[in-house]
Amino acid sequence: SQELEQSPQSLIVQEGKNLTINCTSSKTLYGLYWYKQKYGEGLIFLMMLQKGGEEKSHEKITAKLDEKKQQSSLHITASQPSHAGIYLCGADIAGANSKLTFGKGITLSVRP
Amino acid sequence: NAGVMQNPRHLVRRRGQEARLRCSPMKGHSHVYWYRQLPEEGLKFMVYLQKENIIDESGMPKERFSAEFPKEGPSILRIQQVVRGDSAAYFCASSPPSYTYNEQFFGPGTRLTVL
Repeated sequence: SQELEQSPQSLIVQEGKNLTINCTSSKTLYGLYWYKQKYGEGLIFLMMLQKGGEEKSHEKITAKLDEKKQQSSLHITASQPSHAGIYLCGADIAGANSKLTFGKGITLSVRP
Repeated sequence: NAGVMQNPRHLVRRRGQEARLRCSPMKGHSHVYWYRQLPEEGLKFMVYLQKENIIDESGMPKERFSAEFPKEGPSILRIQQVVRGDSAAYFCASSPPSYTYNEQFFGPGTRLTVL
């Protein structure tokens, strides 16, 4: 089974709408990382969350970490076509401060 | 400050040939990670290196794959006698030396196609 489950698998929203995507771990999280990937390109670092209850925002993107639920959510306010892409969550579940385990990603499309 | 650099960006090999993928970490970063992204699959960890040392190679296939990060020069991921199943995007990430944070910055990837 997948150690990091991302939901939904894909999402299509109308420009201007808000949306939330989730990342749930089956193991204890020692750090949670959100990345964005354009198809065929590399990963762009978005945010890192380390402590339970931590919340970070950058422009219109907010990420939260619920340590008890071993879950993180990423919320986009007033989505734009530039938000389209694949959102990957990565987590340090080994506690070794080294390798990251990734979910399969969520494909977001934003209709103008 | 240049980001993580990988070359080549695209590599085509015939079955049985060798593939060499290079990664130059960000300035000041001494930790390098290699990941593989297969079609329709997520990003999978392969190996974690520090200068001249392999720290964790638990994700590396037992045969044909090797990695190094010499004292001078880029990190190299080497695949010998490539097979079609090796076709994938290979990403390198780097992070600064830290015992509290593991913020990894990724390169653009090398897309390997095995004919």
